Amino acid sequence: NAGVTQTPKFQVLKTGQSMTLQCAQDMNHNSMYWYRQDPGMGLRLIYYSASEGTTDKGEVPNGYNVSRLNKREFSLRLESAAPSQTSVYFCASQLSSANTGELFFGEGSRLTVL
Amino acid sequence: KQEVTQIPAALSVPEGENLVLNCSFTDSAIYNLQWFRQDPGKGLTSLLLIQSSQREQTSGRLNASLDKSSGRSTLYIAASQPGDSATYLCAVSRTDSWGKLQFGAGTQVVVTP
Repeated sequence: NAGVTQTPKFQVLKTGQSMTLQCAQDMNHNSMYWYRQDPGMGLRLIYYSASEGTTDKGEVPNGYNVSRLNKREFSLRLESAAPSQTSVYFCASQLSSANTGELFFGEGSRLTVL
Repeated sequence: KQEVTQIPAALSVPEGENLVLNCSFTDSAIYNLQWFRQDPGKGLTSLLLIQSSQREQTSGRLNASLDKSSGRSTLYIAASQPGDSATYLCAVSRTDSWGKLQFGAGTQVVVTP
């Protein structure tokens, strides 16, 4: 019963380095999301994919890119990491963004940028 | 822009007491409201989802109410247990962007034995 799986769970980067966070879901969901969580600020939406082949910006997209590789996988890329991107990143999936279904979250990827 | 606020930021109660967690939002044009639980170092687990046409949802010891006119939702947890210690977050989605949730910062709950 994997649900939503994120890798890596922890990562330390130096300013300017690049990396990709991977997310996969096995629930045959159409919609997938990337959020970041910072202390005292709740979760903020970075990018989302309503369905395979589509991606759209969320509230805080600057400095990130995404790829919906297939229905299962949605990756988040930091091209040139900055200390402001130190955060916990969560991937989530939903059966469809057009219905009333609940979101299922991964366990998070903790990123530190030095 | 939708603002979601949860007060208090932290709460400590003795075991057995009922918990009352508050969530307020500024824009009543919401599609639904969800309550989540987050354990330290873990992801979020959905607890209850209330559609905008509903006034409440119940699951076991949990009951969530929704009052769109006043921009408020309340999560009640009856007869709290130490295992209820966690951070509780509420999130709303707008009628024009169903899947994009706006989160509150959460209420950290500690239930002492």
